[in-house]
Amino acid sequence: DTGVSQDPRHKITKRGQNVTFRCDPISEHNRLYWYRQTLGQGPEFLTYFQNEAQLEKSRLLSDRFSAERPKGSFSTLEIQRTEQGDSAMYLCASSLGRDGQPQHFGDGTRLSIL
Amino acid sequence: QQQVKQSPQSLIVQKGGISIINCAYENTAFDYFPWYQQFPGKGPALLIAIRPDVSEKKEGRFTISFNKSAKQFSLHIMDSQPGDSATYFCAASIVGGAQKLVFGQGTRLTINP
Repeated sequence: DTGVSQDPRHKITKRGQNVTFRCDPISEHNRLYWYRQTLGQGPEFLTYFQNEAQLEKSRLLSDRFSAERPKGSFSTLEIQRTEQGDSAMYLCASSLGRDGQPQHFGDGTRLSIL
Repeated sequence: QQQVKQSPQSLIVQKGGISIINCAYENTAFDYFPWYQQFPGKGPALLIAIRPDVSEKKEGRFTISFNKSAKQFSLHIMDSQPGDSATYFCAASIVGGAQKLVFGQGTRLTINP
């Protein structure tokens, strides 16, 4: 069990640029989640995949955000035309595809918008 | 609308003491309640979780107490150690469907040696 892996760990970019983050879940986990965590707050749900299907999106996920999970393995989260308010920690979690199974988190990608 | 309220925001406990963190929820459909521990620069790590069919669950020094009628649950850390100093989050979700987690705002716990 190598855990959930996220890349990069830190990303600094200028406002208006596009950024893409990658998440590699635990290998046998078919559920994958993205959360966003701002300083001093708990994580907030963004979106959820069951295998390659994106089944739910939060209203926090504006049209500048897009997530994919091709072939049901790794996932990418892209933010287009970044804004100051996008500065946060972006966390990925995965779980087995059975009800009641715990979610295991990666160490996140910290995004800073200059 | 905040669905899970956590208190206190910060807590200082002497080594060997008992740390107690409380959470209250609003949505009666929630039926899975995990606690996560987070160190600076790291992602949340699952500590312990409970379903509403039991009132208490213990794993080592960590105990969850659950009160369904009051819609409250709490984390007790016995014999608190300096290594327990971290931020703790309670969460809730609905088993079935997305099972997305709704988190409390966190408690920063400091254990003084």
